Amino acid sequence: AQSVAQPEDQVNVAEGNPLTVKCTYSVSGNPYLFWYVQYPNRGLQFLLKYITGDNLVKGSYGFEAEFNKSQTSFHLKKPSALVSDSALYFCAVRDVYGNKLVFGAGTILRVKS
Amino acid sequence: NAGVTQTPKFQVLKTGQSMTLQCAQDMNHNSMYWYRQDPGMGLRLIYYSASEGTTDKGEVPNGYNVSRLNKREFSLRLESAAPSQTSVYFCASRISGDSNQPQHFGDGTRLSIL
Repeated sequence: AQSVAQPEDQVNVAEGNPLTVKCTYSVSGNPYLFWYVQYPNRGLQFLLKYITGDNLVKGSYGFEAEFNKSQTSFHLKKPSALVSDSALYFCAVRDVYGNKLVFGAGTILRVKS
Repeated sequence: NAGVTQTPKFQVLKTGQSMTLQCAQDMNHNSMYWYRQDPGMGLRLIYYSASEGTTDKGEVPNGYNVSRLNKREFSLRLESAAPSQTSVYFCASRISGDSNQPQHFGDGTRLSIL
């Protein structure tokens, strides 16, 4: 079965510093991976996805993610963090039938000024 | 564009009461989903509807029923609410035909069961 792990409950970073939010996956077949962000009292918003092709995927709000097949990872990154990036981030993998997503437990990102 | 609209936004129920959570999308999406979000557990799929007229169980369907009323609307019903169903419920939709398209989420219904 498809699964996703986000090993960090919380990531703290200073404003202006680079940030990384980690995600590892387990799939049968090709991985189709997604990152979503959730701001307080809001629904999830799509950030980016990896389907095939370039291992570095660029998404919304300056975020990017690096796909690493050998390490089964799909880490979310941003070169310079903003206080407004503080939110809950979810990694997800598409199921084998293509109808559903399986979500990780989420990582709280706190960016301090 | 409204996107995915959920009603109500907040609700408090007593154990044993019933309730229907409403969801509507205006993006002409075929697939719709109901999730619950609990601290430290991410989002867990309750039910989904791949297209109008079909519904399927997700990871945690017990205690819930759904109705795909038409292409726009997908409701979630709690027949006899239990404290364990206290959660934040999210509805999502996705265009079909390309399973790699992202899901679009509503802003949730915060449900407390006493």
